[in-house]
Amino acid sequence: EAGVTQFPSHSVIEKGQTVTLRCDPISGHDNLYWYRRVMGKEIKFLLHFVKESKQDESGMPNNRFLAERTGGTYSTLKVQPAELEDSGVYFCASSQLRARTGELFFGEGSRLTVL
Amino acid sequence: TQLLEQSPQFLSIQEGENLTVYCNSSSVFSSLQWYRQEPGEGPVLLVTVVTGGEVKKLKRLTFQFGDARKDSSLHITAAQPGDTGLYLCAGAGRDDKIIFGKGTRLHILP
Repeated sequence: EAGVTQFPSHSVIEKGQTVTLRCDPISGHDNLYWYRRVMGKEIKFLLHFVKESKQDESGMPNNRFLAERTGGTYSTLKVQPAELEDSGVYFCASSQLRARTGELFFGEGSRLTVL
Repeated sequence: TQLLEQSPQFLSIQEGENLTVYCNSSSVFSSLQWYRQEPGEGPVLLVTVVTGGEVKKLKRLTFQFGDARKDSSLHITAAQPGDTGLYLCAGAGRDDKIIFGKGTRLHILP
């Protein structure tokens, strides 16, 4: 069974450009989470989907970030326009059960570098 | 704001020694998880503890959840070079949001 896959693994863009990160969760996992780790800091929650619905997006930094999960399968996270402070590793995770009781399966992350 | 303080941040010890990593918070968590992360990969779950005072063992790793469900520890007995990696604790609140500590980077010298 395929794990959580993320694309691209690394993206280098200039300030002001747009980047779209994609996450394919494990098949059958209704819960999909986006997290971000900025250098030197802890992994921080961005948002949580249950199927195609946004359950909690309280961690999204600002309105330059847009996440979607059309059809309840894969998810995209778009940053537009990107700023220097958006650099970091963006992790996607999926689970069958809710996070506090179930196991989160993480992807390898998408490293974003904004120059 | 819930915070998880993890200590130490870095630890380098000789093979065969024992070590303990701590995870502390002023908040109560529904559960606490420990993950291990290798370079270039995402975190991988090692264990979830749910009940206050709970102790779980995974080979040479012993995980404990504090009685008040505010803290946890990871103890490794007779550390081996294969234990080298980044260890993360993560607490889950009732709102289902997972809060991560900054991690402990462990290096076991052969």
